[in-house]
Amino acid sequence: EAGVAQSPRYKIIEKRQSVAFWCNPISGHATLYWYQQILGQGPKLLIQFQNNGVVDDSQLPKDRFSAERLKGVDSTLKIQPAKLEDSAVYLCASTRGQSSYNEQFFGPGTRLTVL
Amino acid sequence: KQEVTQIPAALSVPEGENLVLNCSFTDSAIYNLQWFRQDPGKGLTSLLLIQSSQREQTSGRLNASLDKSSGRSTLYIAASQPGDSATYLCAPAGGNEKLTFGTGTRLTIIP
Repeated sequence: EAGVAQSPRYKIIEKRQSVAFWCNPISGHATLYWYQQILGQGPKLLIQFQNNGVVDDSQLPKDRFSAERLKGVDSTLKIQPAKLEDSAVYLCASTRGQSSYNEQFFGPGTRLTVL
Repeated sequence: KQEVTQIPAALSVPEGENLVLNCSFTDSAIYNLQWFRQDPGKGLTSLLLIQSSQREQTSGRLNASLDKSSGRSTLYIAASQPGDSATYLCAPAGGNEKLTFGTGTRLTIIP
C-alpha cells in the first residue's frame, strides 16, 4: 500500500510570510497527526485529527498555525505569519485505528527554513 | 508530564557487533512504546511496537524489551550492518494517547 505523502519536501521563506503544507495519509487511516521536529530534537505533536474532527490541538500555536482535514482524508497545515523559530521539519503521520495505540506511519516530512 | 531520555546521544560501533540502545521514561502509565528509525532528511520508520502487557518484541535482527514498572526500554541490534546507521527514537504512548519522543540516539556502524 502507498505510504503517507507530503508536499512540498522543502520550503524556504522569509519571516512574516505564509506557508502551507499538504499531507495525504494512507488510504483508510482514520487518524492523522502533524508533528514539528526541530533540529536535534524528537518530534512534538501539533495537532491530531480523527476523521475530520480535531482530537487534540493543545500544542498548536493558534495565533499563527492552523490546520484542517476536509472530508476526513487530506490535510493542510498553515503558518501565517512565519517566525524564525518555525524552522523545522513538519511530519505528518496516520494510524489505521482511532487511537495512538496503533502503529503510526510517517511521511517523509517537509523541511521549512525561515530566513 | 512524560519525559523521555535516550542514552547515549551518539554511538559508533564496528560492523558485526551487537549493540543496545537505551530509553527511559518518567511516567510508567503507558499503553505501548514504539521504536522508530530516522534516516537523514527522511521521515520516521516504525521498527517495533510493544504493548504495555508485553515484555519484548522481535523483528529480524531487532529485539525490543519493555520494563514498564521501571520506566525502561531497550533496543537490541544483532550483527550490526552499515545500513543500520541512522537515528533511533523511542516513543511511549501515554494515557492521553500522545506519543512522547526522546531526542534519539545517532548510530554509526563503521565498515
